[in-house]
Amino acid sequence: GAGVSQSPRYKVAKRGQDVALRCDPISGHVSLFWYQQALGQGPEFLTYFQNEAQLDKSGLPSDRFFAERPEGSVSTLKIQRTQQEDSAVYLCASSRGQGGLYEQYFGPGTRLTVT
Amino acid sequence: DQQVKQNSPSLSVQEGRISILNCDYTNSMFDYFLWYKKYPAEGPTFLISISSIKDKNEDGRFTVFLNKSAKHLSLHIVPSQPGDSAVYFCAATGNTDKLIFGTGTRLQVFP
Repeated sequence: GAGVSQSPRYKVAKRGQDVALRCDPISGHVSLFWYQQALGQGPEFLTYFQNEAQLDKSGLPSDRFFAERPEGSVSTLKIQRTQQEDSAVYLCASSRGQGGLYEQYFGPGTRLTVT
Repeated sequence: DQQVKQNSPSLSVQEGRISILNCDYTNSMFDYFLWYKKYPAEGPTFLISISSIKDKNEDGRFTVFLNKSAKHLSLHIVPSQPGDSAVYFCAATGNTDKLIFGTGTRLQVFP
């Protein structure tokens, strides 16, 4: 189908390693969001892109987290020097319009485990 | 500070009966509310939404009610079906970019 895809689906990293998580949004969707979902919690906002512009990164928990969307389509979330508290499912979502008032379509997520 | 709260972590309902999932919020700036459904190992799927200018929105078996004065919304599923068994998340936004999610309610519909 033409939904949001994420890779890898599962990632195990040793503490201190850098990881890169990829998101392929639905073609033509303007907005792209990253969320972090800890076990037993709801998704928590990390950052938002409108096309290639990162308009909001207020949810990124530390400067170890970095996201980019250089051509306004595929996005990468990078976590440097991973810590155990980074273990979570990282969800990517895209929407056709600008901002949060349009339906967001979610990918299946990447489950990151830091050992 | 949890701005969107789902106080029931789980709910069990018999097939054919009504399921009622509740959600409370604290931020009066929220003006758009959504329900998402999530199966294991999948991302959340949009179910239904409601704008703050309405108090009810219906889509087939799913109805969302909004009580702004109480800062409360609820999702009604009737009749409930086994395929409805999933985790349901309430989310809210206030004309900004981000969705604020609750912690979810696990619904189990048994035969």
